[in-house]
Amino acid sequence: GAGVSQSPRYKVAKRGQDVALRCDPISGHVSLFWYQQALGQGPEFLTYFQNEAQLDKSGLPSDRFFAERPEGSVSTLKIQRTQQEDSAVYLCASSFDRGYGNTIYFGEGSWLTVV
Amino acid sequence: SQQGEEDPQALSIQEGENATMNCSYKTSINNLQWYRQNSGRGLVHLILIRSNEREKHSGRLRVTLDTSKKSSSLLITASRAADTASYFCATGYNNNDMRFGAGTRLTVKP
Repeated sequence: GAGVSQSPRYKVAKRGQDVALRCDPISGHVSLFWYQQALGQGPEFLTYFQNEAQLDKSGLPSDRFFAERPEGSVSTLKIQRTQQEDSAVYLCASSFDRGYGNTIYFGEGSWLTVV
Repeated sequence: SQQGEEDPQALSIQEGENATMNCSYKTSINNLQWYRQNSGRGLVHLILIRSNEREKHSGRLRVTLDTSKKSSSLLITASRAADTASYFCATGYNNNDMRFGAGTRLTVKP
């Protein structure tokens, strides 16, 4: 596709509900990233995939957060038993290769509000 | 944890003026990237500067990098109201460890 596509754009979840956020990276992009951005803050790294391999998940805040990219293209970020502190924008990004110096392209984000 | 720190946190200028934002970081890097984020939108890549480069230009944007001081600056010349946004620097050794600062919120008044 022309850009990184994320869905849903907006999600309101009741506390304790599970949510799944989808990311369609740019076609052919090897690297895929998830970031969490709280209001007024910069994006915080969550996890990184190279093709289908999750090479870094050090930023996932708890074991309620799980990400997958089973076929090396579309990725899903799942949050189980959502808490109010999970309310944030979840940004997906992709880049062509894992080499340094590649431009990272971001999606518009999925805005999660936990009530 | 965030790597870069932008300064100032907020900047308000008149249209036509120049805007300068700074970024400091802590560890060795291979490249530094600047991004813009309009309210409620995703991040848009502006410019990438490699650790062996000192200055780079793109249109009205000028980025400098001083690796000895672990700092970078973004200069927007002849600012426009449409430049109103948050600006972030991202630093990393590899693409898979790109870390962002908290950003500078720029307001350009018409």
